[in-house]
Formats: sequence, structure tokens, C-alpha cells
Amino acid sequence: DAMVIQNPRYQVTQFGKPVTLSCSQTLNHNVMYWYQQKSSQAPKLLFHYYDKDFNNEADTPDNFQSRRPNTSFCFLDIRSPGLGDAAMYLCATSRGGGLEYEQYFGPGTRLTVT
Amino acid sequence: AQSVTQLDSQVPVFEEAPVELRCNYSSSVSVYLFWYVQYPNQGLQLLLKYLSGSTLVESINGFEAEFNKSQTSFHLRKPSVHISDTAEYFCAVSVDNAGNMLTFGGGTRLMVKP
Repeated sequence: DAMVIQNPRYQVTQFGKPVTLSCSQTLNHNVMYWYQQKSSQAPKLLFHYYDKDFNNEADTPDNFQSRRPNTSFCFLDIRSPGLGDAAMYLCATSRGGGLEYEQYFGPGTRLTVT
Repeated sequence: AQSVTQLDSQVPVFEEAPVELRCNYSSSVSVYLFWYVQYPNQGLQLLLKYLSGSTLVESINGFEAEFNKSQTSFHLRKPSVHISDTAEYFCAVSVDNAGNMLTFGGGTRLMVKP
């Protein structure tokens, strides 16, 4: 089945140790998104790619970076994780950038920072 | 900027009872409204959406929501819930000039009891 896959599902990293989260899709969608969802809070958009065009939200910390080497894969890099970065990270895709295009979400990666 | 408020963080209800999950939004421009559902250990799935036209929208599994512009609300209802409806429900909004960017509410956990 076409889907959005996130690896790993659970990630533990140490304070200050760089970590990379992975997202892949078999939907051949143009747009890929990364959201951060802290406990009992709403998902918050960090950034998105439209094809290779990167769009960063204004309040996304510099500590968070992203790469999209091809249509199928998108990575979230946290350069120096702090305790406040512990959260669920959700990847989503959509065929296009208009409102008529539904976002399809992966199951998320739960990041723990020790 | 737009915002979304889901007034209830948890809603316990008995099976076959009706339920309403409340969602209010604020925005200075026209909005488009969505409900997403997140089952345990899964990604978010689009339940229903309002873009234009009839203010009452329905999903395939018996949920409906009504866009009320004067009350800035988009409450989700189901006349008779099942155990399988137990999940987290997120209301989200997008505005005309933001493409497909979503702003989510904090979520409501629907707990259906036998």
C-alpha cells in the first residue's frame, strides 16, 4: 500500500548529541512536511518542502534542519537536542500545496532526550 | 494569525451515546476547516473538511461537522458512537493565503466505554 513511513518509531538521544529522523513516502507526492507535537499539545509545523523548495516556519529554531535528497525521502536533523525537544515528530505529504490536497501523515517518531 | 481552540481535552462517553467535540477558531480572514483523527500508534487521518458550499459536512463513518461562521465554530458530532471511535481528534484551520498550511487545535481524546 502507498504510505508514509517514519523510522525509527522511537528514538532516544543524549542531550547535545545530533540526531536524524527519517521519513519516506511511496505516494510520489510533491510536498513533504515536518511537524513537532509535544505532549498534550497541537502539532506544530516546523518546515515543508515543495519539491526541492524549502520553506521554514518563522519560529522554527535554528537547531532544526531538514534535507530532501529526492522525492521519496525527507530527513529532520536536530543538531544539538535539548530536553525541550523531546516530542513526537510527524511527517506528512500532499500531492500539491493547495487546500484541495489532503495531507497524509506517517505514524510519527517519538524522541526522548536524556 | 489564526488559532484553534478545542475546549475539551478528554470526552468520556458510553457506547451508542451521542457525542459532540467542540472546536472554535479565530481568524481575520476566510478559513477552511478540518477534522483529523489519530488512532493509537497511528498517524493522523483526515476525517472531514469544509472548504466551501454546504456548511454541514459528513464523513463516511457517521461523523458530521457544521461550519458556523457567526460563532466561529466547527463542532464534530456523531449520533451514536462505537468502541472503535476511541481516538484523539484534532481540529485544524487553514487560511486563504497560507496554501495548505494547517494550524491545529490541542486535540480531544474521545474515550468510548462499553
